Amino acid sequence: AQSVTQPDIHITVSEGASLELRCNYSYGATPYLFWYVQSPGQGLQLLLKYFSGDTLVQGIKGFEAEFKRSQSSFNLRKPSVHWSDAAEYFCAVGDNFNKFYFGSGTKLNVKP
Amino acid sequence: DVKVTQSSRYLVKRTGEKVFLECVQDMDHENMFWYRQDPGLGLRLIYFSYDVKMKEKGDIPEGYSVSREKKERFSLILESASTNQTSMYLCASSPTSAAGELFFGEGSRLTVL
Repeated sequence: AQSVTQPDIHITVSEGASLELRCNYSYGATPYLFWYVQSPGQGLQLLLKYFSGDTLVQGIKGFEAEFKRSQSSFNLRKPSVHWSDAAEYFCAVGDNFNKFYFGSGTKLNVKP
Repeated sequence: DVKVTQSSRYLVKRTGEKVFLECVQDMDHENMFWYRQDPGLGLRLIYFSYDVKMKEKGDIPEGYSVSREKKERFSLILESASTNQTSMYLCASSPTSAAGELFFGEGSRLTVL
């Protein structure tokens, strides 16, 4: 069965520090992978997506993610975090039937 | 830009009431979804629809029903609200391309007393 695991529930980083949010998935075929961000009281916004090709994908707001098939991972990174990045981040996998499976989310706090 | 509009941002209902949550999208997407979001559980799929008058159960359909009479509108119905249905409800739409991305509304926070 398809599943997505985000092992970190909360992460706190200092402004200007680098960030990596972890995501592992379980899926039988080539996955379609996504990262979404949710600001407080808002819906989810797509940060980036991976369908095929280059395993390092660039997204909005300076985020990137790397697909590693051997590790079943799709970790999200940002070289320098800004206070406005404080939000909850969700990793998701989509299948060929337009169903999407979400992780439980990682809440990011940014220290000044 | 794609816009997914959920008619009510905040609702307070009483146990046993019938609740309607409305969602409208303006990008002619074939697929529409209702998710429930609870702390620590992420997003769980309640129902989805891939065409007008078509619907499929998601992972947690119990206690919910849906209606899709027009392509742009997807309604979630709680026939008899219960306190354990207090939650954030998110509507989303996507095009029928290979795993087209989801576009979300801002959510409807429902409190059942």
